[in-house]
This record gives sequence, C-alpha cells and structure tokens, in this order.
Amino acid sequence: GESVGLHLPTLSVQEGDNSIINCAYSNSASDYFIWYKQESGKGPQFIIDIRSNMDKRQGQRVTVLLNKTVKHLSLQIAATQPGDSAVYFCAENKGGSQGNLIFGKGTKLSVKP
Amino acid sequence: NAGVTQTPKFQVLKTGQSMTLQCAQDMNHNSMYWYRQDPGMGLRLIYYSASEGTTDKGEVPNGYNVSRLNKREFSLRLESAAPSQTSVYFCASSELQGKSPLHFGNGTRLTVT
Repeated sequence: GESVGLHLPTLSVQEGDNSIINCAYSNSASDYFIWYKQESGKGPQFIIDIRSNMDKRQGQRVTVLLNKTVKHLSLQIAATQPGDSAVYFCAENKGGSQGNLIFGKGTKLSVKP
Repeated sequence: NAGVTQTPKFQVLKTGQSMTLQCAQDMNHNSMYWYRQDPGMGLRLIYYSASEGTTDKGEVPNGYNVSRLNKREFSLRLESAAPSQTSVYFCASSELQGKSPLHFGNGTRLTVT
C-alpha cells in the first residue's frame, strides 16, 4: 500500500512464502501500470508492467493483477527469497496515453530467512 | 550496454552554488526524465523530454532547468542551490512516453548545506 508520513509500510514474510504487495491508483484514465523494485543505494529496477486491457500478467516468479473497478493493482511474488528484500513501487501513467509515470510512495518488503 | 549513466554519484554544495547533473543513455530511447526522491515522498517528476528537441515541466520544476543536448544526453541544472534541494536525483529514459517502462540510472546524492 501507500506510505504515511516518513515511514514506509512494511511487509515481512518468511523465505519461501508468497508475497502480495498492494497499490491503489488514482486516475481512471490511466492505462499503463508498472512495478519497480529498489534496493538500497540503487535506482528503481523494472519488474513487470500491465496495460489496462489486461487483468493479469505473469513473469518469472511475479504476477501483476489489475482491478480497474476498484482502481487496485497488486504484485505477487512466488517463493520469496532474501534477494527480494527491497522497496517496491507501483506507477501509473496518470492521464492515460502520453501521460508521465506517477509513482506511489512504496512498500518495504523484508524477507526473513 | 551501460543503460542510463549519471554523474556525479555524490555532491555537496553550499547554498547559492550552481551545478549541472549529467545523464546519458545508450538505449536509443526517445524520452528522458529527471526525478527526485525524498523520504516518504516517493519519486517526483522534475522535468522531462518526450523527444529530442522538446522539454517540459513536471510536478516540481521550480529551481531547476534542463537541456536535452542530443538524443542521448539530458542534463539538469541547479542555478542557485537551496537546502530544500537536498535529495537523490534519478535520471530515466523510455522508448515511448507513458507507454513503455522507464529505465533508471543509479542516482546522484546531493546535499546542500
């Protein structure tokens, strides 16, 4: 989910479990959505994207779900590993085609070995 | 391929000093962007260039200027640095504005005293 104040929401999971990170987006006209992973001291890294004509898209160990009715996006990570520990951001192209990407504030994923 | 390269990695300025952050991409992307990242605020768009020869303001452009030098390079200039500009600055590029993933550099960590 979205952060409040200076502290990011944190999701703590056990290694090997599945993780689900949620994001609410704001604009019904947004038609392109992306998930990014950011490790400490590095730039955001592209994970997976989805267009509004799809409800679900799968990658390697990751699945993105899009619910346009309630403007909700989720990232599922299967068999979470310690290397998945990072901050995860969702982004939408607010305003639709030609709109720039607007980022959520992020969720910190912590994986316990 | 190096992807998106930013220089410098770190910089300390005194209030009122000026500097230029450099960014270059080797992916032949059309669009380039400058974001800043502050704790609890997520990534906020400063300026962008949808294509070579054009630049536009983003969400937080005050105190900054940009130059799209050529298709590869997009620089960000602080004419008179202020403590409020202490942040981590990320450059990114994408093939198409609003329709394809952004690829980020590893950031410039700027402190203004």
